[in-house]
Amino acid sequence: AQRVTQPEKLLSVFKGAPVELKCNYSYSGSPELFWYVQYSRQRLQLLLRHISRESIKGFTADLNKGETSFHLKKPFAQEEDSAMYYCALLSGSARQLTFGSGTQLTVLP
Amino acid sequence: EPEVTQTPSHQVTQMGQEVILRCVPISNHLYFYWYRQILGQKVEFLVSFYNNEISEKSEIFDDQFSVERPDGSNFTLKIRSTKLEDSAMYFCASSEARDGRYFGPGTRLTVT
Repeated sequence: AQRVTQPEKLLSVFKGAPVELKCNYSYSGSPELFWYVQYSRQRLQLLLRHISRESIKGFTADLNKGETSFHLKKPFAQEEDSAMYYCALLSGSARQLTFGSGTQLTVLP
Repeated sequence: EPEVTQTPSHQVTQMGQEVILRCVPISNHLYFYWYRQILGQKVEFLVSFYNNEISEKSEIFDDQFSVERPDGSNFTLKIRSTKLEDSAMYFCASSEARDGRYFGPGTRLTVT
């Protein structure tokens, strides 16, 4: 069965510091991975997907199949990046989306 | 930019009552979903819906739950005989193809 692990429930960094939110997955097939962000009291928003290899709001994520990871990175964190971040895996013929438990990022001034 | 909308934003109901949560997916999307997030826990898949029928459901989605697309725009989740443990945030989502979902703002359901 597929699983997504986000080992850090909480992560605090200072403004301007680099940030990395970890995500590991377990899936026997070819994974499609996403990062979603949820700002305070707002909806889950699609931040980026690995197949498009894009950079959104300065964030990037590289799929590492050897390490089964899809860590989210940003070189210089901003206070407005403070939010809940969820890694998600799309898998199977049913294309089910499985979420990790989320990491609450706080960027301190 | 088009968005998924959900009503109500907060629903309080008594145990044993039925509730209907409403969603309006993005208009050209073909796949619709309901997810649930119990406070402090991860977002969990409930059901997916395509071509006017359920395409996939989780073990959470038992006979207490049903979904419907009563017209061309609304997508509803009905919970019969609510229990305390049904208290959660319920998110509707839609997608054009079976890839990244676009989520609604959620309905907070409180069962007392």
